[in-house]
Amino acid sequence: GAGVSQSPSNKVTEKGKDVELRCDPISGHTALYWYRQSLGQGLEFLIYFQGNSAPDKSGLPSDRFSAERTGGSVSTLTIQRTQQEDSAVYLCASSSRLAGVSEQYFGPGTRLTVT
Amino acid sequence: AQSVTQPDIHITVSEGASLELRCNYSYGATPYLFWYVQSPGQGLQLLLKYFSGDTLVQGIKGFEAEFKRSQSSFNLRKPSVHWSDAAEYFCAVGAVLHNTDKLIFGTGTRLQVFP
Repeated sequence: GAGVSQSPSNKVTEKGKDVELRCDPISGHTALYWYRQSLGQGLEFLIYFQGNSAPDKSGLPSDRFSAERTGGSVSTLTIQRTQQEDSAVYLCASSSRLAGVSEQYFGPGTRLTVT
Repeated sequence: AQSVTQPDIHITVSEGASLELRCNYSYGATPYLFWYVQSPGQGLQLLLKYFSGDTLVQGIKGFEAEFKRSQSSFNLRKPSVHWSDAAEYFCAVGAVLHNTDKLIFGTGTRLQVFP
């Protein structure tokens, strides 16, 4: 596609349930990033993929959060046993980075509400 | 530690007036700097970036920014604001290591434009 797409656009879940958020990066982009935007914490980095590997997972807030990427393309962010503080907008970005710095292109985000 | 400060949480200007949004960074090495804009319910759109070279960089939508190393600043400017510029603006620094180029964001400045 022309840009980064994310699904679903909105997700409401009950506390304690697991959720999966999906990201489709720009075709050909080797790098993929997940960020979280919340009222309390602002915009914060979660995880970075290069191909199917995740060399930087430093932003994942707890072991309830995990992510994978398959075929060097689609990525899924999974949150287990959701808590109310997980409510946020989850943004995915992709770039053509192989090394150094790159321009990241963002998707529209998934708004997660935990009730 | 790397950080980005946007001192102004909210700015209001009249349409046609000039605009300057402030951004200060803390980063040990050569900074890679970005400005992104976020319209309500949308993802982040890259306005401009500074990697090296000319310290005055031009971006989309008539925006420009000037990198001043002595002041650790990267302020965003526009000579004449349009009503469609109303949005939230984020300054970011790229924290570049061999295994990542994650973005560290400021807390954002919300721009309101009056007719």
